[in-house]
Amino acid sequence: DTEVTQTPKHLVMGMTNKKSLKCEQHMGHRAMYWYKQKAKKPPELMFVYSYEKLSINESVPSRFSPECPNSSLLNLHLHALQPEDSALYLCASSARSYNEQFFGPGTRLTVL
Amino acid sequence: SQELEQSPQSLIVQEGKNLTINCTSSKTLYGLYWYKQKYGEGLIFLMMLQKGGEEKSHEKITAKLDEKKQQSSLHITASQPSHAGIYLCGADTAGGTSYGKLTFGQGTILTVHP
Repeated sequence: DTEVTQTPKHLVMGMTNKKSLKCEQHMGHRAMYWYKQKAKKPPELMFVYSYEKLSINESVPSRFSPECPNSSLLNLHLHALQPEDSALYLCASSARSYNEQFFGPGTRLTVL
Repeated sequence: SQELEQSPQSLIVQEGKNLTINCTSSKTLYGLYWYKQKYGEGLIFLMMLQKGGEEKSHEKITAKLDEKKQQSSLHITASQPSHAGIYLCGADTAGGTSYGKLTFGQGTILTVHP
């Protein structure tokens, strides 16, 4: 298995909802990432996990809560989001944090 | 100013033509990554460069990192419609304990006319 999978593909949520994004890889990678990409902009790094520990948090608002339950799985818990949080959320993984990153297809999030 | 400048912003070429996309950093690059993206989809990894003077090729795409490790170019030979998409350079300019902290250029939109 040489890919990163993300679910759901699309998500629409209200500002009072709680939802989660899921990312999975079975390549034995020990670093995983969350990026946010707005339309016509490049991806922006949100979080980096290395060996299941949070190593980088790019000053992301607390309404985004990452979780890495094991080396294959990465979640992003969403709560009380704002409409401006609507974006494509990309997950990536790499063998180690200094290796090339492989991206999933993304989750298109719309906050109403 | 942007930490990573990519040029041109867009490029329209006729099928069969060669083209070059440039990526310039204001800082030393510990790793330079080239990706391709179709709109609304994930990024496809193309190549990674780490050493000054390094050059890598895959099929008709060649990427180089200059000796000073602050500029990279992506060259496509004999372009095809399948090469169309958004090309992004990503850079690790922190290194050390911040490995994995990639920042991306603004992207180059490539259109290839048959």
